[in-house]
Amino acid sequence: EIVMTQSPGTLSVFPGERATLSCRASQSVSSNLAWYQQRPGQAPRLLIFGASSRATGIPARFSGSGSGTEFTLTISSLQSEDFAVYYCQQYNNWLSFGQGTKVEIK
Amino acid sequence: QVQLQESGPGLVKPSETLSLTCGVSGYSISSGYYWGWIRQPPGKGLEWIGSIYHTGNTFYNPSLKSRVTISVDTSKNQFSLNLNSVTSADTAVYYCARLLGGPVGGLLRSFFDLWGQGTLVTVSS
Repeated sequence: EIVMTQSPGTLSVFPGERATLSCRASQSVSSNLAWYQQRPGQAPRLLIFGASSRATGIPARFSGSGSGTEFTLTISSLQSEDFAVYYCQQYNNWLSFGQGTKVEIK
Repeated sequence: QVQLQESGPGLVKPSETLSLTCGVSGYSISSGYYWGWIRQPPGKGLEWIGSIYHTGNTFYNPSLKSRVTISVDTSKNQFSLNLNSVTSADTAVYYCARLLGGPVGGLLRSFFDLWGQGTLVTVSS
Protein backbone atom coordinates (compact mmCIF):
# COMPACT_ATOMS: atom_id res chain seq x y z
CA GLU A 1 0.00 0.00 0.00
CA ILE A 2 1.25 3.47 -0.88
CA VAL A 3 1.02 5.86 2.06
CA MET A 4 0.41 9.52 1.25
CA THR A 5 1.60 12.09 3.79
CA GLN A 6 0.47 15.70 3.60
CA SER A 7 2.07 18.67 5.30
CA PRO A 8 1.42 20.82 7.13
CA GLY A 9 -1.66 19.56 8.94
CA THR A 10 -2.99 23.09 9.19
CA LEU A 11 -1.90 26.16 7.24
CA SER A 12 -2.88 29.64 8.43
CA VAL A 13 -2.87 32.21 5.64
CA PHE A 14 -4.10 35.77 5.13
CA PRO A 15 -6.59 36.28 2.29
CA GLY A 16 -4.72 37.28 -0.85
CA GLU A 17 -1.57 35.45 0.17
CA ARG A 18 -0.03 32.40 -1.47
CA ALA A 19 -0.54 28.94 0.03
CA THR A 20 1.76 26.01 -0.64
CA LEU A 21 0.64 22.50 0.33
CA SER A 22 2.83 19.41 0.18
CA CYS A 23 2.09 15.76 -0.45
CA ARG A 24 4.66 12.98 -0.23
CA ALA A 25 4.24 9.38 -1.40
CA SER A 26 5.93 6.43 0.30
CA GLN A 27 7.03 5.22 -3.15
CA SER A 28 6.95 6.67 -6.62
CA VAL A 29 3.50 7.30 -8.10
CA SER A 30 4.87 8.86 -11.30
CA SER A 31 2.44 11.70 -12.16
CA ASN A 32 -0.64 9.74 -11.09
CA LEU A 33 -1.71 12.22 -8.45
CA ALA A 34 -4.89 14.22 -7.91
CA TRP A 35 -5.83 17.03 -5.53
CA TYR A 36 -9.28 17.68 -4.05
CA GLN A 37 -10.85 20.52 -2.10
CA GLN A 38 -13.43 19.81 0.59
CA ARG A 39 -15.41 22.63 2.12
CA PRO A 40 -17.26 22.01 5.42
CA GLY A 41 -20.31 19.82 4.97
CA GLN A 42 -19.62 19.27 1.27
CA ALA A 43 -18.27 16.47 -0.88
CA PRO A 44 -14.71 16.73 -2.18
CA ARG A 45 -14.21 18.54 -5.50
CA LEU A 46 -11.54 17.58 -8.01
CA LEU A 47 -8.99 20.33 -8.56
CA ILE A 48 -5.96 18.76 -10.20
CA PHE A 49 -5.20 15.45 -11.91
CA GLY A 50 -2.07 14.10 -13.53
CA ALA A 51 -0.16 16.12 -10.89
CA SER A 52 -0.54 19.38 -12.81
CA SER A 53 -3.68 19.42 -15.00
CA ARG A 54 -6.54 21.56 -13.74
CA ALA A 55 -9.99 20.00 -13.78
CA THR A 56 -12.82 21.64 -15.69
CA GLY A 57 -13.89 24.95 -14.19
CA ILE A 58 -11.03 25.22 -11.70
CA PRO A 59 -9.56 28.74 -11.46
CA ALA A 60 -6.03 29.37 -12.68
CA ARG A 61 -4.91 30.37 -9.17
CA PHE A 62 -4.75 26.64 -8.40
CA SER A 63 -1.67 24.89 -9.73
CA GLY A 64 -0.06 21.53 -9.12
CA SER A 65 3.50 20.34 -9.62
CA GLY A 66 5.78 17.42 -8.88
CA SER A 67 6.32 13.83 -9.87
CA GLY A 68 7.61 10.65 -8.31
CA THR A 69 7.21 11.07 -4.56
CA GLU A 70 7.01 14.84 -3.99
CA PHE A 71 4.05 16.99 -5.01
CA THR A 72 2.87 20.52 -4.36
CA LEU A 73 -0.46 22.31 -4.65
CA THR A 74 -0.15 26.09 -4.84
CA ILE A 75 -2.97 28.57 -4.45
CA SER A 76 -1.55 31.82 -5.73
CA SER A 77 -3.87 34.30 -3.99
CA LEU A 78 -6.29 32.89 -1.46
CA GLN A 79 -9.92 33.85 -1.82
CA SER A 80 -12.49 33.44 0.94
CA GLU A 81 -13.96 30.36 -0.72
CA ASP A 82 -10.55 28.64 -0.76
CA PHE A 83 -10.43 28.13 2.99
CA ALA A 84 -11.09 24.40 3.17
CA VAL A 85 -9.40 21.03 3.57
CA TYR A 86 -7.26 19.74 0.70
CA TYR A 87 -6.51 16.10 -0.02
CA CYS A 88 -4.06 14.46 -2.37
CA GLN A 89 -4.78 11.05 -3.89
CA GLN A 90 -2.44 8.71 -5.72
CA TYR A 91 -3.73 6.39 -8.41
CA ASN A 92 -0.55 4.68 -9.51
CA ASN A 93 -0.97 1.59 -7.32
CA TRP A 94 -4.57 1.21 -6.24
CA LEU A 95 -6.12 4.38 -4.80
CA SER A 96 -5.13 6.08 -1.56
CA PHE A 97 -5.54 9.53 -0.04
CA GLY A 98 -3.44 11.74 2.17
CA GLN A 99 -4.80 12.76 5.57
CA GLY A 100 -5.53 16.31 4.44
CA THR A 101 -4.28 19.85 4.99
CA LYS A 102 -6.66 22.40 6.45
CA VAL A 103 -6.19 25.91 5.10
CA GLU A 104 -7.57 28.41 7.58
CA ILE A 105 -7.84 32.18 7.74
CA LYS A 106 -5.01 33.85 9.64
CA GLN B 1 -25.68 17.56 -16.01
CA VAL B 2 -24.57 14.35 -14.37
CA GLN B 3 -25.65 13.93 -10.76
CA LEU B 4 -25.13 11.16 -8.21
CA GLN B 5 -27.32 10.56 -5.17
CA GLU B 6 -26.69 8.14 -2.33
CA SER B 7 -29.57 6.47 -0.51
CA GLY B 8 -29.97 3.92 2.24
CA PRO B 9 -30.38 3.47 6.00
CA GLY B 10 -28.64 5.97 8.24
CA LEU B 11 -28.37 3.52 11.12
CA VAL B 12 -27.05 -0.04 11.02
CA LYS B 13 -26.56 -2.43 13.95
CA PRO B 14 -23.15 -3.95 14.67
CA SER B 15 -22.47 -7.25 12.86
CA GLU B 16 -25.15 -6.49 10.26
CA THR B 17 -24.77 -5.44 6.63
CA LEU B 18 -24.57 -1.84 5.47
CA SER B 19 -26.36 -1.38 2.13
CA LEU B 20 -26.33 1.79 0.05
CA THR B 21 -27.38 2.66 -3.47
CA CYS B 22 -26.14 5.41 -5.77
CA GLY B 23 -28.58 6.66 -8.36
CA VAL B 24 -27.08 8.34 -11.42
CA SER B 25 -28.98 10.93 -13.44
CA GLY B 26 -27.98 12.76 -16.60
CA TYR B 27 -25.80 9.92 -17.85
CA SER B 28 -26.29 6.26 -18.68
CA ILE B 29 -24.01 4.02 -16.63
CA SER B 30 -23.96 1.62 -19.59
CA SER B 31 -22.15 4.24 -21.67
CA GLY B 32 -18.93 3.83 -19.74
CA TYR B 33 -16.80 5.04 -16.83
CA TYR B 34 -16.00 3.28 -13.61
CA TRP B 35 -18.16 4.18 -10.59
CA GLY B 36 -17.17 3.86 -7.00
CA TRP B 37 -17.59 4.31 -3.27
CA ILE B 38 -15.46 6.33 -0.86
CA ARG B 39 -16.01 6.85 2.86
CA GLN B 40 -14.99 9.42 5.45
CA PRO B 41 -15.25 8.77 9.21
CA PRO B 42 -16.34 11.85 11.16
CA GLY B 43 -13.49 14.35 11.35
CA LYS B 44 -11.13 12.09 9.42
CA GLY B 45 -9.79 11.54 5.91
CA LEU B 46 -11.01 9.73 2.83
CA GLU B 47 -10.83 6.00 2.12
CA TRP B 48 -11.55 4.34 -1.23
CA ILE B 49 -13.83 1.31 -0.82
CA GLY B 50 -14.18 -0.06 -4.32
CA SER B 51 -15.27 0.57 -7.89
CA ILE B 52 -17.31 -1.08 -10.64
CA TYR B 53 -17.78 -0.90 -14.42
CA HIS B 54 -21.15 -1.35 -16.13
CA THR B 55 -20.07 -4.84 -17.18
CA GLY B 56 -19.77 -5.76 -13.52
CA ASN B 57 -15.98 -5.71 -13.40
CA THR B 58 -14.95 -4.69 -9.88
CA PHE B 59 -11.92 -3.49 -7.98
CA TYR B 60 -11.85 -3.42 -4.19
CA ASN B 61 -9.60 -1.85 -1.58
CA PRO B 62 -7.53 -4.82 -0.36
CA SER B 63 -8.12 -3.79 3.26
CA LEU B 64 -11.90 -4.08 2.87
CA LYS B 65 -12.17 -6.69 0.13
CA SER B 66 -13.30 -9.54 2.39
CA ARG B 67 -16.38 -7.58 3.52
CA VAL B 68 -17.36 -5.58 0.43
CA THR B 69 -19.58 -6.29 -2.54
CA ILE B 70 -20.34 -3.66 -5.18
CA SER B 71 -22.95 -4.37 -7.85
CA VAL B 72 -24.51 -2.48 -10.75
CA ASP B 73 -28.07 -2.37 -12.09
CA THR B 74 -27.97 -0.77 -15.52
CA SER B 75 -31.76 -1.01 -15.93
CA LYS B 76 -32.17 1.33 -12.95
CA ASN B 77 -29.00 3.30 -13.73
CA GLN B 78 -27.61 2.73 -10.27
CA PHE B 79 -24.90 0.86 -8.42
CA SER B 80 -24.84 -0.44 -4.87
CA LEU B 81 -22.56 -1.11 -1.93
CA ASN B 82 -22.85 -3.92 0.60
CA LEU B 83 -20.46 -3.95 3.56
CA ASN B 84 -20.99 -6.85 5.94
CA SER B 85 -20.07 -7.51 9.57
CA VAL B 86 -19.98 -3.81 10.37
CA THR B 87 -18.56 -2.34 13.58
CA SER B 88 -18.44 1.19 14.97
CA ALA B 89 -15.27 1.71 12.89
CA ASP B 90 -17.48 1.67 9.80
CA THR B 91 -19.38 4.76 10.93
CA ALA B 92 -18.73 7.32 8.23
CA VAL B 93 -20.09 9.53 5.51
CA TYR B 94 -20.30 7.35 2.41
CA TYR B 95 -19.86 8.98 -0.99
CA CYS B 96 -20.47 7.58 -4.43
CA ALA B 97 -18.46 9.00 -7.30
CA ARG B 98 -17.57 8.71 -10.96
CA LEU B 99 -14.03 7.77 -11.86
CA LEU B 100 -11.87 8.94 -14.73
CA GLY B 101 -9.26 6.47 -15.89
CA GLY B 102 -9.40 2.72 -15.64
CA PRO B 103 -7.47 -0.52 -15.28
CA VAL B 104 -3.82 -0.63 -16.25
CA GLY B 105 -1.94 -3.85 -15.82
CA GLY B 106 -4.54 -5.26 -13.43
CA LEU B 107 -4.56 -2.17 -11.22
CA LEU B 108 -7.20 0.54 -11.16
CA ARG B 109 -5.62 3.87 -12.05
CA SER B 110 -8.38 6.40 -11.57
CA PHE B 111 -9.37 9.54 -9.79
CA PHE B 112 -12.81 10.90 -8.91
CA ASP B 113 -14.27 13.71 -10.99
CA LEU B 114 -17.90 13.76 -9.83
CA TRP B 115 -19.19 13.08 -6.33
CA GLY B 116 -22.55 12.57 -4.67
CA GLN B 117 -23.39 14.71 -1.65
CA GLY B 118 -22.69 11.85 0.75
CA THR B 119 -24.77 10.06 3.35
CA LEU B 120 -23.92 9.48 7.00
CA VAL B 121 -24.18 5.89 8.17
CA THR B 122 -23.89 5.26 11.89
CA VAL B 123 -23.18 1.79 13.25
CA SER B 124 -24.78 1.47 16.65
CA SER B 125 -27.09 -0.83 18.56
